[in-house]
Amino acid sequence: NFMLTQPHSVSESPGKTVTISCTGRSGSIASNYVQWYQQRPGSAPTAVIYEDNQRPSGVPDRFSGSIDSSSNSASLTISGLKTEDEADYYCQSYDRNILWVFGGGTKLTVL
Amino acid sequence: QVQLVESGGHLVKPGGSLRLSCAASGFTFSDYYMTWIRQAPGKGLEWVSYISSSGSTIYYADSVKGRFTISRDNAKNSLHLQMNSLRAEDTAVYYCAREGKYMDVWGKGTTVTVSS
Repeated sequence: NFMLTQPHSVSESPGKTVTISCTGRSGSIASNYVQWYQQRPGSAPTAVIYEDNQRPSGVPDRFSGSIDSSSNSASLTISGLKTEDEADYYCQSYDRNILWVFGGGTKLTVL
Repeated sequence: QVQLVESGGHLVKPGGSLRLSCAASGFTFSDYYMTWIRQAPGKGLEWVSYISSSGSTIYYADSVKGRFTISRDNAKNSLHLQMNSLRAEDTAVYYCAREGKYMDVWGKGTTVTVSS
């Protein structure tokens, strides 16, 4: 079954840039679109990237997404980090049966 | 405004049943696919089930197949998840979400606890 693997946690300072990876296992990451969801403590998730690199309305351009077929991975990059970006981030795509797959989540600490 | 509100979460004994509901408002419910996603305490997101706009296409995660049934009532703008043969590992916050190009609207979730 297709799986998505994320680092458990990342940390960076305010104003810096951080990249969170999402690696596909047992399938090609490029076969289906990747979405990224942000979840702050006690809240429901909200999308920050959809269709690999598109930003929903209202999401600042500090958030960007990309796909690297050579490493079979997707990446979420957040530049100009703010303390409000501290949250859990989940990548999501689909397996070959077009069923939804989530990565395990990455806790971003902005310190 | 566009809103999804889940209800029906409760404490239930292993082997018991529960029916979750998701009330939609602020958009044409019958135009959208819908999904259920859950999150166990301190864990990540897990997709549970999907239903097409007409209800004709349904998918389930392997972990709930045969035990959970998704349905919708477009006349009442509501989505449901019938959960039978509940297990301790079904304990989670259950979210309903609207599916467009991505899950663009989420409810706040309802908590299901399976424990004796």
